[in-house]
Amino acid sequence: AQSVTQLDSQVPVFEEAPVELRCNYSSSVSVYLFWYVQYPNQGLQLLLKYLSGSTLVESINGFEAEFNKSQTSFHLRKPSVHISDTAEYFCAVSGDNAGGTSYGKLTFGQGTILTVHP
Amino acid sequence: KAGVTQTPRYLIKTRGQQVTLSCSPISGHRSVSWYQQTPGQGLQFLFEYFSETQRNKGNFPGRFSGRQFSNSRSEMNVSTLELGDSALYLCASRRAAQSPLHFGNGTRLTVT
Repeated sequence: AQSVTQLDSQVPVFEEAPVELRCNYSSSVSVYLFWYVQYPNQGLQLLLKYLSGSTLVESINGFEAEFNKSQTSFHLRKPSVHISDTAEYFCAVSGDNAGGTSYGKLTFGQGTILTVHP
Repeated sequence: KAGVTQTPRYLIKTRGQQVTLSCSPISGHRSVSWYQQTPGQGLQFLFEYFSETQRNKGNFPGRFSGRQFSNSRSEMNVSTLELGDSALYLCASRRAAQSPLHFGNGTRLTVT
C-alpha cells in the first residue's frame, strides 16, 4: 500500500519570496512521483514528474522537486513566487510493478494551498 | 490538440437517482482513469480502463461503475445517489504505461 503526506495544508508567502511545499511518501515498491497544480474550478495540471534518472526535476515555470529515496520525500521548491502561483498543489505517487509498468492509479496527498500575497 | 473533455460540467441530482458522466480522452490515449474529489476525503481513485477492460478499481461501493468504449471514450455511472456522492469527478487519460495522467476539468455533481 502507498500513502502520501503533505506536511502543510496552507502556505502563505509574499511575492518574490522562496517557497517549499513538503511531501513525504511511503511505499513498498518502486514509485513514480508527481506534482499537480489545481486552479479554482479547474482540473489538475501536471507540474512535474519523477520517473527515473536524475533525482532533480524541473518544470517550465520555475518549480523544481528533488526525489530523496532515503528520506522518502519529494519536496517542491520555487526560488521566487508570483501572484499567479496561487493555487492548490498535490503530490502524488504511483506504483511500479516488477516489470516497470506504471499504473493509472495515483495516490494523492491532501493538498497544500499556496497563497502568494503582494 | 484537444485535452480531456468531460461532460456535463455541472449536474444536480436528487437522492436515489442515478447519473452518468462522460469523458473523452486526448486523441491517441487508450487509458482512462476516474477520480472523486471531495473536501473531506481529497482525491480518491475510482477505476482505470484500458482497451475497454477495467484494469484497477478503488475502494468504492458497487453503486459506482464504469465502462470504456472502443474509441477510448469512457463513462461512469453512479446509481442510487446519496448526499455523500456530491463531489468533483475527474477523468484522466494517458498515452502509455509510463506516461503521466492528463486531467479534464471535471464534472461537479451535487446531490440534494
